[in-house]
Amino acid sequence: DTGVSQDPRHKITKRGQNVTFRCDPISEHNRLYWYRQTLGQGPEFLTYFQNEAQLEKSRLLSDRFSAERPKGSFSTLEIQRTEQGDSAMYLCASSLLAGSTDTQYFGPGTRLTVL
Amino acid sequence: GDSVTQMEGPVTLSEEAFLTINCTYTATGYPSLFWYVQYPGEGLQLLLKATKADDKGSNKGFEATYRKETTSFHLEKGSVQVSDSAVYFCALSDRRDSSYKLIFGSGTRLLVRP
Repeated sequence: DTGVSQDPRHKITKRGQNVTFRCDPISEHNRLYWYRQTLGQGPEFLTYFQNEAQLEKSRLLSDRFSAERPKGSFSTLEIQRTEQGDSAMYLCASSLLAGSTDTQYFGPGTRLTVL
Repeated sequence: GDSVTQMEGPVTLSEEAFLTINCTYTATGYPSLFWYVQYPGEGLQLLLKATKADDKGSNKGFEATYRKETTSFHLEKGSVQVSDSAVYFCALSDRRDSSYKLIFGSGTRLLVRP
């Protein structure tokens, strides 16, 4: 299976701890996106990369959040000093931008619970 | 800003019934439109897409037509199965936005009873 993978699938942490999530995109895809989904809602955009460059960050991405994509391959999303409001599903998606068409394929997500 | 509005769920149907899930959008540009499906505990799977007016996307018996005049992209299926039970998300991507980020509706839960 060469789809998008995410690790871990579930993470339970205590308030104030730091957590890091990993996303491995489809290998030939040059774009990688992070979204956050809270219960009963649709996903909301957080940030995206084209190759290794982080080109846009949402206002949802507070200073406690940081994302990287070294060498344009996998990406990590770190949350420092977690808060209960950070509890959500964090989704990664990748795409191959071709002309004016961009179709994103999602991973299974990482469900974060902050106690 | 751009937005997507979906009918509220849950939608409960008997097996083999006809399905319609309404989706309307607001966009100042020329968006691409998508339907994604999410099964319990899983990420989103692309169901179908349409990139310009009057395009029809179709997959696995589902279809949706991009209607620019009514700014709609309603999802339909002629005969649902129990295995179609899931949450369905309508989304748009504005091609004027270089990020092509997806803007989602709030989702519609479908429950199909045997």
